[in-house]
Amino acid sequence: ILNVEQSPQSLHVQEGDSTNFTCSFPSSNFYALHWYRWETAKSPEALFVMTLNGDEKKKGRISATLNTKEGYSYLYIKGSQPEDSATYLCAFNHAHGNNRLAFGKGNQVVVIP
Amino acid sequence: NAGVTQTPKFRVLKTGQSMTLLCAQDMNHEYMYWYRQDPGMGLRLIHYSVGEGTTAKGEVPDGYNVSRLKKQNFLLGLESAAPSQTSVYFCASSWRDDGVGNQPQHFGDGTRLSIL
Repeated sequence: ILNVEQSPQSLHVQEGDSTNFTCSFPSSNFYALHWYRWETAKSPEALFVMTLNGDEKKKGRISATLNTKEGYSYLYIKGSQPEDSATYLCAFNHAHGNNRLAFGKGNQVVVIP
Repeated sequence: NAGVTQTPKFRVLKTGQSMTLLCAQDMNHEYMYWYRQDPGMGLRLIHYSVGEGTTAKGEVPDGYNVSRLKKQNFLLGLESAAPSQTSVYFCASSWRDDGVGNQPQHFGDGTRLSIL
């Protein structure tokens, strides 16, 4: 069983503030790191898939970085808005051939207007 | 496009009953997955399939069976439901791994299953 840890588990952010959270994963046998956004009563939606050490990806006010050597990824939200309230899932893919993912428990973000 | 469709959305079963959850995708994806989501835990992989006619065990396969007779459908079966199988079940699909590892998974809306 692959251990994917996300911290903090939950956080409240004031509207307009920026925030970030961490996903840590095994640094050996790295293949890909996924981030998903999961709103309440909806299905998870892919944000980023990162494969190279040093990767940085951005989608609007959300961005992510990847360090495969030390086994962590950061997700940043700049200028949080209420619509950013969601659970952000990190998932680790350690082997090619089946796109099989090991998920963390998620970072639950609540943006307070 | 409907994407990934799960049927049913809700179901209540009695212990010992059987049922089948259906997942259908219209994106021509080769890979399909079944997960369960329980409070305080991440999504856990039950079974997956890398192509029509093939299935494989995931992290928590016990008590479940699957079939992939058609590329677009992935069925999850509970032969004799147990209260421990009360959960929210998610199906997902993706393109085949292209050797670069950059294929996201696309999820259905989930099936909420309660076993009494």
